Amino acid sequence: KAGVTQTPRYLIKTRGQQVTLSCSPISGHRSVSWYQQTPGQGLQFLFEYFSETQRNKGNFPGRFSGRQFSNSRSEMNVSTLELGDSALYLCASSLVGTGGTEAFFGQGTRLTVV
Amino acid sequence: QQQVKQSPQSLIVQKGGISIINCAYENTAFDYFPWYQQFPGKGPALLIAIRPDVSEKKEGRFTISFNKSAKQFSLHIMDSQPGDSATYFCAASMDSARQLTFGSGTQLTVLP
Repeated sequence: KAGVTQTPRYLIKTRGQQVTLSCSPISGHRSVSWYQQTPGQGLQFLFEYFSETQRNKGNFPGRFSGRQFSNSRSEMNVSTLELGDSALYLCASSLVGTGGTEAFFGQGTRLTVV
Repeated sequence: QQQVKQSPQSLIVQKGGISIINCAYENTAFDYFPWYQQFPGKGPALLIAIRPDVSEKKEGRFTISFNKSAKQFSLHIMDSQPGDSATYFCAASMDSARQLTFGSGTQLTVLP
């Protein structure tokens, strides 16, 4: 069974540009969450999608957005990139949207903003 | 209220020793407490998780101890091996693993 797939693995962008990251969850998983990992702030929750609806959102500015498609694949977008957006962006998928189920993480997309 | 505090920041253990990492939380609404292991260049991988209705859970060499009254939980790695050298994160959430609040991480080094 394939794991969570994130593309691309590495990305270099210039300040002011926008970027779109993609996440394909484990087959059958309908909940997809996104996290930002930085050395200074650690792992921080961005948002969670279930059945194409955003159900939870972390404390990030509106420049960070996402969406989920009918096949459960998800994308996150960051507009007007800032140097501080450089981070590892992680996607996690869960089997169902409610109840205590495990979150499985992808390998992440390393975004560098220059 | 949402914070999870993790200690120590780094830990060095001899091969065969016991590694102990501690976490404390404030939000009593948290009801799911997983531990993740992360190797460089990889995403976090779930090691073991516990719910507050049990005080201890063991899976192989990994044990979670949970103290609900103290709002603390810890990870014990028995017979630590060099291959266990990684960063370990505790986490907590309300209502499933959808929105995890992570601790700051512990970098574990197991010396051969």
